[in-house]
Amino acid sequence: DAKTTQPTSMDCAEGRAANLPCNHSTISGNEYVYWYRQIHSQGPQYIIHGLKNNETNEMASLIITEDRKSSTLILPHATLRDTAVYYCIVRRRNAGNNRKLIWGLGTSLAVNP
Amino acid sequence: DAGVIQSPRHEVTEMGQEVTLRCKPISGHNSLFWYRQTMMRGLELLIYFNNNVPIDDSGMPEDRFSAKMPNASFSTLKIQPSEPRDSAVYFCASSFSGQGINSPLHFGNGTRLTVT
Repeated sequence: DAKTTQPTSMDCAEGRAANLPCNHSTISGNEYVYWYRQIHSQGPQYIIHGLKNNETNEMASLIITEDRKSSTLILPHATLRDTAVYYCIVRRRNAGNNRKLIWGLGTSLAVNP
Repeated sequence: DAGVIQSPRHEVTEMGQEVTLRCKPISGHNSLFWYRQTMMRGLELLIYFNNNVPIDDSGMPEDRFSAKMPNASFSTLKIQPSEPRDSAVYFCASSFSGQGINSPLHFGNGTRLTVT
């Protein structure tokens, strides 16, 4: 599975949009982009995933560039509870590949009051 | 849906003692994963079960570590004997795998193990 690159840390003001970038320049055509986050003292939590179209759910929006080499996770109105480490992962969406996830160090997002 | 349930939440033990961590996956999920997380190494996959069968245990550090999944609703990770370097947070995760798809991973809240 392709490797991703994320900034080590970011800050965001409460109530503002948090835009978390991820580079995955070696992504292949059958690989999806997945985002998870890990709040302190909890297990990682699935947020959203996408292939090439932009996606939105109740937690966040995912914007994938046309060449699919990068993406941005958007938390539209960040709250203090969104303070967490955010992981961007690419993987093929077929059987057996959850075990091949490369987690990296993620982006530590601090939402400030 | 209660999510993935792990116990105990915290475990403090002395070097040389046996440690058993427990996990109940989400009902209907057929894949189960044990991870270890440390500051230095991040999240590392230890072992992966599919339909209760161990498929990939290449991440298990050494013979002191063993894992079992006697049925679809229960798994254990055992360390015997434990060593201080085993201190970490151990996560269990589950997902559904089949019919050409994988659902996202669902994690428990982990067991924080401290070996003194």
